[in-house]
Amino acid sequence: KAGVTQTPRYLIKTRGQQVTLSCSPISGHRSVSWYQQTPGQGLQFLFEYFSETQRNKGNFPGRFSGRQFSNSRSEMNVSTLELGDSALYLCASSLTGPETQYFGPGTRLLVL
Amino acid sequence: AQSVTQLGSHVSVSEGALVLLRCNYSSSVPPYLFWYVQYPNQGLQLLLKYTSAATLVKGINGFEAEFKKSETSFHLTKPSAHMSDAAEYFCAVSDLNGNTGKLIFGQGTTLQVKP
Repeated sequence: KAGVTQTPRYLIKTRGQQVTLSCSPISGHRSVSWYQQTPGQGLQFLFEYFSETQRNKGNFPGRFSGRQFSNSRSEMNVSTLELGDSALYLCASSLTGPETQYFGPGTRLLVL
Repeated sequence: AQSVTQLGSHVSVSEGALVLLRCNYSSSVPPYLFWYVQYPNQGLQLLLKYTSAATLVKGINGFEAEFKKSETSFHLTKPSAHMSDAAEYFCAVSDLNGNTGKLIFGQGTTLQVKP
């Protein structure tokens, strides 16, 4: 089976812009979770989608949003980018949620 | 609330020496526990997981971990380090409140392997 894929792999944006990241889960997986990884804060949970519904949300401002499509592919959007949003954004998929999550390679976002 | 603590942000061992990376968790219910490894500029790769079956869990690349409920620990070990083991290692617990796909990670431990 193909693994989790994320596009794009690298992204450079300027402050105030918005960005959309995409994640395609492993075939058959219905849960997609998003994480932000920074040197200072480590790995932090953003949100999780299951069957097109947001099921859990981390402690991030409303500028961070996401959605999931009927084929389980997911997108996350960050509006009004800030310098502090520079990070590696990882998505992970699992069959239903609490069991093993498999991670994609990540999207590295740099905000200038 | 659940949390994970990894003792030691940086561990250095010689090639062929024992690797021991420490992880302690707090959870009100028996958790699912995971160890992931991250190589530079890559995502996270699952090393092993504990899901309330055997307390000694064997993973890939010769790693294993033992779940000790009394100590709330899930330390990762490998008998003999190899240069290719140099990477960052993360311990994580699955948030069982609400039964959703949320992992809570420790801060990570960078493993350096010296020749």
